[in-house]
Amino acid sequence: GEDVEQSLFLSVREGDSSVINCTYTDSSSTYLYWYKQEPGAGLQLLTYIFSNMDMKQDQRLTVLLNKKDKHLSLRIADTQTGDSAIYFCAENPSGGYNKLIFGAGTRLAVHP
Amino acid sequence: SAVISQKPSRDICQRGTSLTIQCQVDSQVTMMFWYRQQPGQSLTLIATANQGSEATYESGFVIDKFPISRPNLTFSTLTVSNMSPEDSSIYLCSVWSREQFFGPGTRLTVL
Repeated sequence: GEDVEQSLFLSVREGDSSVINCTYTDSSSTYLYWYKQEPGAGLQLLTYIFSNMDMKQDQRLTVLLNKKDKHLSLRIADTQTGDSAIYFCAENPSGGYNKLIFGAGTRLAVHP
Repeated sequence: SAVISQKPSRDICQRGTSLTIQCQVDSQVTMMFWYRQQPGQSLTLIATANQGSEATYESGFVIDKFPISRPNLTFSTLTVSNMSPEDSSIYLCSVWSREQFFGPGTRLTVL
């Protein structure tokens, strides 16, 4: 089956690192994504990782993939108040242009 | 990249009425998708809309309730028919153009 799970809430202090975790069930997923949704806004693709990779870094963002455990994480270094948003993990079981399966989203709150 | 706009951005509707949401993309794309995000929930795919053919609906969604048009490669509409309060959601248009892009969403409230 297709299921993506995330913790619902994370609170961090400004300047600390945030780690948002996600587990997925479909081992055939070829791409795994992280989207950001700010209040009242649409979804913004933050980053994605191909399933044959175990790490991807993009400025303050680091994605780690443990394919054996079907575990994906997003680390945000030096978290800022502007990072406060809902972060969605998504898998693309068929690759290419097909439906994405989303997690419920993790609400990140950054406090001074 | 693909820039997507949606109209309306939000609406408040009465029970039993219908609302048509428009999605416009700034480039030609083969596949367009319509998602629903219910309050506090994740996104769920409603249907895939291909130009020149009928939309393909996911389990739990039917054409009579959510008719879709795809007249050309840059435009699509989703109609939410005979609305009830349970249809209150954000409806998002999405396209695939080397990656998945999402529109800003239409926030629908049904009274």
